[in-house]
Amino acid sequence: GAGVSQSPSNKVTEKGKDVELRCDPISGHTALYWYRQRLGQGLEFLIYFQGNSAPDKSGLPSDRFSAERTGESVSTLTIQRTQQEDSAVYLCASSFNRYRATDTQYFGPGTRLTVL
Amino acid sequence: AQKVTQAQTEISVVEKEDVTLDCVYETRDTTYYLFWYKQPPSGELVFLIRRNSFDEQNEISGRYSWNFQKSTSSFNFTITASQVVDSAVYFCALRMDTGRRALTFGSGTRLQVQP
Repeated sequence: GAGVSQSPSNKVTEKGKDVELRCDPISGHTALYWYRQRLGQGLEFLIYFQGNSAPDKSGLPSDRFSAERTGESVSTLTIQRTQQEDSAVYLCASSFNRYRATDTQYFGPGTRLTVL
Repeated sequence: AQKVTQAQTEISVVEKEDVTLDCVYETRDTTYYLFWYKQPPSGELVFLIRRNSFDEQNEISGRYSWNFQKSTSSFNFTITASQVVDSAVYFCALRMDTGRRALTFGSGTRLQVQP
């Protein structure tokens, strides 16, 4: 596949349950980003991976949110004890990240999370 | 700190009209990068353009054109002869040359093109 892929596309869960969202970046992209988009709003940054380390976690809204990345491949965003305010579309992006001047993030289709 | 403002929440035009989407940004950095993305109803963000702060040339790509003005910290996007397929939410975004690599997004402008 040529683009960023995310799964599941939709997730409905009950308040208090844990959820895992998956992102498969474009092959060869070393950088991976997670963003959150609440209904009718812009994108909020959550976390940035370079390889499998996360030098910028400043956007994670609480310690219920965590993320991992395996090498320069798949990443998983985990939300524990979900709350209704976690309902949003979670978007993943990846980029080559070699030179800042030419670096462009390409986005996946997102996972729509609904917490009942 | 950096900020992107898209003051137009929603714009509605009739097909074939020209439309300009405004984007104003704030940053203290001298080198930075500006982006426009399109989010059609399907939801996936589509990259449209990247502009580096040291390149103030305006750009045209088919019916799309971008006007970058450092003096007013603006990076406006014009669609000429709009089409129904242009209906989407358009986001302007900013990234720094040092420090944080994540994009800072505006709140988006929803464009509705009526047939």
